[in-house]
Amino acid sequence: KQEVTQIPAALSVPEGENLVLNCSFTDSAIYNLQWFRQDPGKGLTSLLLIQSSQREQTSGRLNASLDKSSGRSTLYIAASQPGDSATYLCAVKDGAGSYQLTFGKGTKLSVIP
Amino acid sequence: DGGITQSPKYLFRKEGQNVTLSCEQNLNHDAMYWYRQDPGQGLRLIYYSQIVNDFQKGDIAEGYSVSREKKESFPLTVTSAQKNPTAFYLCASSMIAESSYNEQFFGPGTRLTVL
Repeated sequence: KQEVTQIPAALSVPEGENLVLNCSFTDSAIYNLQWFRQDPGKGLTSLLLIQSSQREQTSGRLNASLDKSSGRSTLYIAASQPGDSATYLCAVKDGAGSYQLTFGKGTKLSVIP
Repeated sequence: DGGITQSPKYLFRKEGQNVTLSCEQNLNHDAMYWYRQDPGQGLRLIYYSQIVNDFQKGDIAEGYSVSREKKESFPLTVTSAQKNPTAFYLCASSMIAESSYNEQFFGPGTRLTVL
């Protein structure tokens, strides 16, 4: 059964720093991987989706990479801002025909002004 | 605006009551999903539906029921058989469940508390 792990569980950085969030998964036969942001008490906002055939995706200050063979993905946030403070979740979709996303427990990011 | 709406935002249930959570989307998505989120745990899938009048159980379907009579709507009923229903419930939708380009979009959530 697929398992998704996100380390660290919490991260605090000063404003302006570049940072990396990590996501690992146990079964490399994934279809895609999605990164989400969740603010306290809110729903999930989709940030980036990487297909299994892709190495990375970029959106503004965010860059997500995927190394399927090693079961890892990273979310790089450049020039962090206090507004980036949130919990970041990654989720993988297993092979063709799968309906299910398997989620990690998230990394809670705090950007200190 | 296109999106997913969930209501109510907060819901309180007494012991032995059934309650229904609403989820509506105007994204013209075929697939819809219900997840449960508990503190310190990842999201867990309760039910999903790929087309109208069809739905499938997820990992934690016991004590829940759903219907899909319209493409836009996927209500979730939390029955009295669900012994620990206090949680944050999230509804999501996507174009086609099995596509690799399937990106799931989420609603704002409903927080259910048992009194």
